[in-house]
Amino acid sequence: LAKTTQPISMDSYEGQEVNITCSHNNIATNDYITWYQQFPSQGPRFIIQGYKTKVTNEVASLFIPADRKSSTLSLPRVSLSDTAVYYCLVGAEYGNKLVFGAGTILRVKS
Amino acid sequence: DVKVTQSSRYLVKRTGEKVFLECVQDMDHENMFWYRQDPGLGLRLIYFSYDVKMKEKGDIPEGYSVSREKKERFSLILESASTNQTSMYLCASSIGQSRFFEQYFGPGTRLTVT
Repeated sequence: LAKTTQPISMDSYEGQEVNITCSHNNIATNDYITWYQQFPSQGPRFIIQGYKTKVTNEVASLFIPADRKSSTLSLPRVSLSDTAVYYCLVGAEYGNKLVFGAGTILRVKS
Repeated sequence: DVKVTQSSRYLVKRTGEKVFLECVQDMDHENMFWYRQDPGLGLRLIYFSYDVKMKEKGDIPEGYSVSREKKERFSLILESASTNQTSMYLCASSIGQSRFFEQYFGPGTRLTVT
C-alpha cells in the first residue's frame, strides 16, 4: 500500500511559482497520482491527475519522474486565492486503497 | 456544474444511536464515495460504489455500512455510533472509469458523537 508524504506547510508570495512535492515510495504499477485543493469549510476540488512524465492543464502542471516514487504539483504565478490545503492521492482506478497524503498548507502572502 | 449535496452540515448524535448520512449528486455519475477527514490524517476512504446496489470497502469500513438504491443517492450508515466516529464526513462522485479520480466533493458533514 502506497504511503504518501507531503510537507506540512509552505509559504510563498504572490506571482511566484510554487512546487509541492509528494513522496510515494511504494507506488504500484496500476496507481495514478491525483492532486486536490481544499479551502476551509469546503470539500476538496480536483486539480490534476497523471500517471507518468508531465501533465499540464489550465491551472497547474504535474511532474512525475520515471521511477514514479514522487510527484510535484507546480502552480504558476500564485495569488492570494491559492491559499489552501493541497492533497496528493495515490491509488488505482476502482481499487479500494486510495491513499491521501496528510496535506500541505500553502500560504500565499502579498 | 456538478453538484454534490449532503443532508446536514452539522450533526450531533449520542453513543449507540443509528446515524444516516445522505449524499445526492445531480450529474448522473456512476461512482460515489464516502470519506472521513481527520486532522493530520488527511482523507480516508470508507466505502465506494461504482453502480446501483454495488459497493466496495475502502480503507476503514469497520463500523460503517452503505446503501445505494438509486444512482444519484449514496447513504452512509453508522449502525451504533461511537465517540471515535466523531469526524468530518465527505461524499464525492465521479463520472466513470476514464475519470475515476476526477471526484467532485460535497461540503461535508461534521458529526459529533457524545
